[in-house]
Amino acid sequence: GAGVSQSPSNKVTEKGKDVELRCDPISGHTALYWYRQSLGQGLEFLIYFQGNSAPDKSGLPSDRFSAERTGGSVSTLTIQRTQQEDSAVYLCASSLDRGNYGYTFGSGTRLTVV
Amino acid sequence: QKEVEQNSGPLSVPEGAIASLNCTYSDRVSQSFFWYRQYSGKSPELIMSIYSNGDKEDGRFTAQLNKASQYVSLLIRDSQPSDSATYLCARGGTSYGKLTFGQGTILTVHP
Repeated sequence: GAGVSQSPSNKVTEKGKDVELRCDPISGHTALYWYRQSLGQGLEFLIYFQGNSAPDKSGLPSDRFSAERTGGSVSTLTIQRTQQEDSAVYLCASSLDRGNYGYTFGSGTRLTVV
Repeated sequence: QKEVEQNSGPLSVPEGAIASLNCTYSDRVSQSFFWYRQYSGKSPELIMSIYSNGDKEDGRFTAQLNKASQYVSLLIRDSQPSDSATYLCARGGTSYGKLTFGQGTILTVHP
């Protein structure tokens, strides 16, 4: 597609429920990143996928968070047993190769845990 | 010390003035640097990238990089109210492209 597509744009969930966030990167972009941004905060790195290499999961805050990327394209970020502190905007970005030419971000998923 | 640190702001400038945004980083191996603009409620948008020491100009924007002093700055000339946004500085990693972002500086350009 023309840009990075994320869905849903908004998600309200009850504490303890699982949620799945989806990202469809720009066609041909081999690198895909997940970040999250809490209210008034900077961007916190979560996970990085590059081609067929093992993902860099070093930013995932707990084992309740996981992500996968199927076929080198679409990625899903899953949060299990959501907590109120998980409330944030989850941003996906993609880039050509290793991203040293900058990312293109999607419009984000605003997650609210009540 | 944070990996990427920006001047805290918020920064307020009158329309037509030069807005100066500064960023320092903590390592000497970063090779790529970026400025993103983020409007309220929107996602970040890449506006400048710089890889070599010196200045890089693009329209009203000039990025300045000094690797020896570990700082990168963004100048916005002839500031407009539409430039009001949060500006995020980011530096690239070494072996792959994970970007580390600063906390952002809120810029307000008042008429």
